[in-house]
Amino acid sequence: NAGVTQTPKFQVLKTGQSMTLQCAQDMNHNSMYWYRQDPGMGLRLIYYSASEGTTDKGEVPNGYNVSRLNKREFSLRLESAAPSQTSVYFCASRDSGDSPLHFGNGTRLTVT
Amino acid sequence: QKEVEQNSGPLSVPEGAIASLNCTYSDRVSQSFFWYRQYSGKSPELIMSIYSNGDKEDGRFTAQLNKASQYVSLLIRDSQPSDSATYLCAVEDSSASKIIFGSGTRLSIRP
Repeated sequence: NAGVTQTPKFQVLKTGQSMTLQCAQDMNHNSMYWYRQDPGMGLRLIYYSASEGTTDKGEVPNGYNVSRLNKREFSLRLESAAPSQTSVYFCASRDSGDSPLHFGNGTRLTVT
Repeated sequence: QKEVEQNSGPLSVPEGAIASLNCTYSDRVSQSFFWYRQYSGKSPELIMSIYSNGDKEDGRFTAQLNKASQYVSLLIRDSQPSDSATYLCAVEDSSASKIIFGSGTRLSIRP
């Protein structure tokens, strides 16, 4: 009963390094999302994929790219990490329509 | 930019009392509304979904929705120390398949 699985749990990068955050869900959900959470800022949407084969920008897409690899997997890539990208990143998924989000456990990223 | 507004708190409530959390939103045609609870260092977990005007009860939790006033609230009856957490209000963006969150209200239940 895994739900939404994110890897890694923690990561430290130096400015300019790149990395990919992985997310997979086993609930056969159509839509997947990447949020970041900073202290006092709530959850801000980075990118989302309403269905397999589509991706769209959210509120804060700059500095990120995404890939919806298949229905299960949705990855987030930082091409050149910056200290402003230090945050906790959450992946979420949901079925289509008006259903709620199911969250992964998060990735805590620090960029020095 | 569609917005969801919450009082950041902290809201301090004595144990056994009713905690009242409020949220307003800017999208007049939103149809789906959610309350999530988030403990420190953990991921958000769904408490309630509400889609129609009025009240929806689930155990000690009651969600209230007023679409005309663009207002959704969460009441927690018989508050327990374990209810101490940040509560996030979330609203479906009616123009796209995405959900927008408020910044959250930090609730503290004092013994």
